[in-house]
Amino acid sequence: KNEVEQSPQNLTAQEGEFITINCSYSVGISALHWLQQHPGGGIVSLFMLSSGKKKHGRLIATINIQEKHSSLHITASHPRDSAVYICAVTETSGSRLTFGEGTQLTVNP
Amino acid sequence: NAGVTQTPKFQVLKTGQSMTLQCAQDMNHEYMSWYRQDPGMGLRLIHYSVGAGITDQGEVPNGYNVSRSTTEDFPLRLLSAAPSQTSVYFCASSYSGWAGYTFGSGTRLTVV
Repeated sequence: KNEVEQSPQNLTAQEGEFITINCSYSVGISALHWLQQHPGGGIVSLFMLSSGKKKHGRLIATINIQEKHSSLHITASHPRDSAVYICAVTETSGSRLTFGEGTQLTVNP
Repeated sequence: NAGVTQTPKFQVLKTGQSMTLQCAQDMNHEYMSWYRQDPGMGLRLIHYSVGAGITDQGEVPNGYNVSRSTTEDFPLRLLSAAPSQTSVYFCASSYSGWAGYTFGSGTRLTVV
């Protein structure tokens, strides 16, 4: 069992829909990261959070430390949001990142 | 622009050849790391460094060497390339391992 699990693996939505990607982890963490990777592109850090909720534009990330769960929400989705979204955690046992396998999001016009 | 610079972007090697993937950052970050990304497996840590002169192994270190002689540079060396090392490689840096990360644009390596 992976230490970081994401769901769903693939997600297709229509433009304008509200999207949720989930991340569960089984280790103690000091921070959780949401990353975005466009096809053939580099990796961009969207959020780093250790508690509560953060918002940037149409993106919202939440974390529940007790339940070891985080969600990434996209409001009013747009085709340019199509990308792979990756959840990663920094474990309390060290400074290394452990990654989920990613969620492939496709937003159709 | 401040960030993480990886070179080359693309590389084709023959089995047994050696090469060095370069990674440089200009943000004075202490923590640097190398990952490989393979389909269906997500990103996996190869080696990391918490400061100049200090390196350690990650999840998949075999076949790779690193050194960290300066804060800015963290090269990854493939000693004798194998087809199993065909992958996309990313370098990343962070102020500390517990802070946000900046990723390089990646190197797509094919070993034939």
